[in-house]
Amino acid sequence: EDKVVQSPLSLVVHEGDTVTLNCSYEVTNFRSLLWYKQEKKAPTFLFMLTSSGIEKKSGRLSSILDKKELFSILNITATQTGDSAIYLCAVGGGTSYGKLTFGQGTILTVHP
Amino acid sequence: DVKVTQSSRYLVKRTGEKVFLECVQDMDHENMFWYRQDPGLGLRLIYFSYDVKMKEKGDIPEGYSVSREKKERFSLILESASTNQTSMYLCASSPIYRSYNEQFFGPGTRLTVL
Repeated sequence: EDKVVQSPLSLVVHEGDTVTLNCSYEVTNFRSLLWYKQEKKAPTFLFMLTSSGIEKKSGRLSSILDKKELFSILNITATQTGDSAIYLCAVGGGTSYGKLTFGQGTILTVHP
Repeated sequence: DVKVTQSSRYLVKRTGEKVFLECVQDMDHENMFWYRQDPGLGLRLIYFSYDVKMKEKGDIPEGYSVSREKKERFSLILESASTNQTSMYLCASSPIYRSYNEQFFGPGTRLTVL
């Protein structure tokens, strides 16, 4: 059975702090790992990672994948209140194209 | 921009009622998915579909059924709603050629069963 575990489940920080969110997985026939951000609406896509060791970056957010140790991290530097959201990690693999297995999500709260 | 819409943002139903949740996407995607999202459990896959009239069970199909009569529309049906089906329901779609699995989500329907 495919499994994705995120940690921590929740995190409270102040503006300007740097946070690291973790995602570990056990998936048959790994294809990709995706990060989404969910505010009070549809999850929006952040990153897709398929190769180990290559950092993806978008502004203050960055992510990297380790396919040997089966985990990924999402870093957010200089956090802002607008970063408050649920961050979802999902892994694509298995025998069916298109199917994703999601972790529990990390609830990030950024205080002014 | 890909657009995935869901028929209702909030819905309140009574135990035993038949409930229909509708999802429509406008990008001609082959794959469509229904998830439920509960605190601490993340998104769990209920059903998915690769094509019109095709459906496959996800991880938690019990108590649900689906219908896909047209490519753009994927319906989730609760035959007899129960209180443990109170949840946020998210629909998603993806094109079949995107083998790396990126999915596009609708805004969600928060269903309360009394």
